[in-house]
Amino acid sequence: EPEVTQTPSHQVTQMGQEVILRCVPISNHLYFYWYRQILGQKVEFLVSFYNNEISEKSEIFDDQFSVERPDGSNFTLKIRSTKLEDSAMYFCASSESLERFQYFGAGTRLSVL
Amino acid sequence: QKEVEQDPGPLSVPEGAIVSLNCTYSNSAFQYFMWYRQYSRKGPELLMYTYSSGNKEDGRFTAQVDKSSKYISLFIRDSQPSDSATYLCAMTSNSGGSNYKLTFGKGTLLTVNP
Repeated sequence: EPEVTQTPSHQVTQMGQEVILRCVPISNHLYFYWYRQILGQKVEFLVSFYNNEISEKSEIFDDQFSVERPDGSNFTLKIRSTKLEDSAMYFCASSESLERFQYFGAGTRLSVL
Repeated sequence: QKEVEQDPGPLSVPEGAIVSLNCTYSNSAFQYFMWYRQYSRKGPELLMYTYSSGNKEDGRFTAQVDKSSKYISLFIRDSQPSDSATYLCAMTSNSGGSNYKLTFGKGTLLTVNP
């Protein structure tokens, strides 16, 4: 069964460092998303991406964040200068079309020290 | 008022029990309603997806939507220990410039005891 793959499963970084979280969406999907879940809190929307551009972003997704689809398979989330409060699980999701359901990856746990 | 409210539990039931999980929401623009299951430190896994008011059944799971009351439910019949997980309600729309981003409840932690 096709699945969304995320790497690494756990990333530890120092405050102020840049991190790149990677995702391989399901191959025929066209819409891509990043969500995050701080421990004990709700899953929150960060950004959606379609046709090589951001289609929607939340207030959380400030200038420190960027997304990219560098090739035909990968979808990345970059945090330029990590803060302690960026520590969370980051989930990538993809969907076939806008109103179709989103499939989630297993997540990357980001720990900022 | 929060957009989506969900009782976080925890909820503990014996094996075989009927489980009822609920969410309320305030945004009448929500069009699609989902239930995801999330095991500890894993990604959300889609369980049920509904559009209209009414019931949708899939095996032991029934999703119910009441748009007039802004209330959705998930029922699990004959619950099994393997159903032990956190259940997240999620909803979405394309109104107000939203492109179907998901808005989640906080999740209800369910434990089914053998």
